[in-house]
Amino acid sequence: ETGVTQSPTHLIKTRGQQVTLRCSSQSGHNTVSWYQQALGQGPQFIFQYYREEENGRGNFPPRFSGLQFPNYSSELNVNALELDDSALYLCASRRPQGAGNYGYTFGSGTRLTVV
Amino acid sequence: GDSVTQMEGPVTLSEEAFLTINCTYTATGYPSLFWYVQYPGEGLQLLLKATKADDKGSNKGFEATYRKETTSFHLEKGSVQVSDSAVYFCALIMNTGNQFYFGTGTSLTVIP
Repeated sequence: ETGVTQSPTHLIKTRGQQVTLRCSSQSGHNTVSWYQQALGQGPQFIFQYYREEENGRGNFPPRFSGLQFPNYSSELNVNALELDDSALYLCASRRPQGAGNYGYTFGSGTRLTVV
Repeated sequence: GDSVTQMEGPVTLSEEAFLTINCTYTATGYPSLFWYVQYPGEGLQLLLKATKADDKGSNKGFEATYRKETTSFHLEKGSVQVSDSAVYFCALIMNTGNQFYFGTGTSLTVIP
């Protein structure tokens, strides 16, 4: 297994811009979740995708959107960036339901700084 | 709603000291409980888990027992090492749910 890979590792954007973060999951991991971790805080759930459809969303505005692709990769898009969007963004994926909810693997994250 | 409350940090211990990090949870159903560890500049690594009441999760000398009566999942280690310095997160996920609920994290520093 190659793990969960996120890119880029660091990114600096200007307020108002748009950003796309990428995640490459392990083969067979058809469920992917994205989390936002602000400095000094625990990760907060943004949304989850299962078989390329969103199937759960946390308390984040619509300018946070995502895509999941058949090759087990996914994207997190954030429009109209705000300073408070500065955070570590984590991707987590797991195998199909039978593996249990504890089968998630987290990536190392993308550190986004909005200036 | 579902949530996790974790002991505030930071915690500083001498090598070989005993570690306890408290974690309590609130859940409307039957959660699975986890401890994750985050080293500087890295993502989350699963340390241990427990999926039902009275289960004990253990790994690398760390242990935590799922206590339904006290809604707790405290992390313990008998003798910490410098290499254990990291941030520790307690988390839950409902067995029919799709999101983790994390505590705010406890920073541990072990000094030689």
